[in-house]
This record gives sequence, structure tokens and C-alpha cells, in this order.
Amino acid sequence: DGGITQSPKYLFRKEGQNVTLSCEQNLNHDAMYWYRQDPGQGLRLIYYSQIVNDFQKGDIAEGYSVSREKKESFPLTVTSAQKNPTAFYLCASSHTTGNYGYTFGSGTRLTVV
Amino acid sequence: KNEVEQSPQNLTAQEGEFITINCSYSVGISALHWLQQHPGGGIVSLFMLSSGKKKHGRLIATINIQEKHSSLHITASHPRDSAVYICAVTSSNDMRFGAGTRLTVKP
Repeated sequence: DGGITQSPKYLFRKEGQNVTLSCEQNLNHDAMYWYRQDPGQGLRLIYYSQIVNDFQKGDIAEGYSVSREKKESFPLTVTSAQKNPTAFYLCASSHTTGNYGYTFGSGTRLTVV
Repeated sequence: KNEVEQSPQNLTAQEGEFITINCSYSVGISALHWLQQHPGGGIVSLFMLSSGKKKHGRLIATINIQEKHSSLHITASHPRDSAVYICAVTSSNDMRFGAGTRLTVKP
């Protein structure tokens, strides 16, 4: 079945280390997105990509980096520059034309200690 | 002020009760989405609507474009409906999310 796979589900890292979160989709969607979710807040957009080898900053891109070398994959790196990295991270994908909804992954909970 | 506001923030109901969750938005939209997030964190799309009303089982979603308001109703609520319900709107190529309503249905 088609869908989005995020891995790992839980991730622990020491402060100061970079960490990369995986997101893979087999839906043939052109657009992919990374969101951060904090308690009591709506999802906030970190980065998005509408086509391979191109991506745009979202509302809270500082301290994060992404790549889009393949249509299926959109990994997110949380760098040591991110001041408060502990959060729940969600990946999503969608078509870029027409009024389609998003498909979400199951999320990665990152804890930095 | 957030572009998407949901109310209530938390809601506790007894099994069988009729539940309403409200969403107001302040931007022009192409569609409004109701999403469900279970404790594990994954998000499932319940409805996408741009006008009128949609029904799926015990769930009903309505939208009033003129008033920029949508409601999600759950009839005959059940403990398995316990989850966070999120309202989101799409405009251009962007999706904006409400903070969510945490629903707990007690047996």
C-alpha cells in the first residue's frame, strides 16, 4: 500500500549533535513537507519541497536543513544550531496541482538530552 | 492571532453524547481539512471540504465560507473517538493548522 514512512519513531540525541530524520513516500507525490509539533500549538512548517532538487524555507527553518535528491525522499537534519530541538516531527506529502489533501507520516519524537 | 482558531481546546464527553468542535479561520482558502491525531502521533485525514457538508459514518463536517467557520460533529460518541482533532486550511500551496482539540470520551 502507498504511504509515507518516517523513521525512527523515537530518537534520542545528546545536545550538540546533528541528527537526521528520514521520510520516504511511495505515493508519487511531487510535494513534501516537514512540520514541527509542540504541545498546545498547531503544526509549524519547517521546510517544503515541490520538486526534486528544490526546497523552500518554512516559518521556522532556522537550525534545520533538508535535501531532495530523489522524489521519494525528503530527509530533515536537526543541527546543533537549533536551540530547542526536542519536539515531535511530522512529514507530509501531496500533489502540487488540484485540490488534494496531504498524507502524513506517523511522526518522529526527538528528545535531546 | 492565529490564522486558524479551534474551540474548545479540550473536551470531555460521556459515551453516546453528540460532540461539536468548531474552527474559525481568517485567510482565504481553497479547502478546509479535518484531521485526527491518535496518541501514537500519526495523523489521518477525515475530511476535505470547500463548501457545504460531508458525512462519513458518525462524523459530519460542515463549512460556511461566508462566515469562515467550520464544525466537526461526532454522533453517538465512543471511547475510540478519543483523539486530537485538528482543523487545517489550504491556500495557495500552503497548509495552516489549528492547535487542535483534545477529545476524551469516557465509557
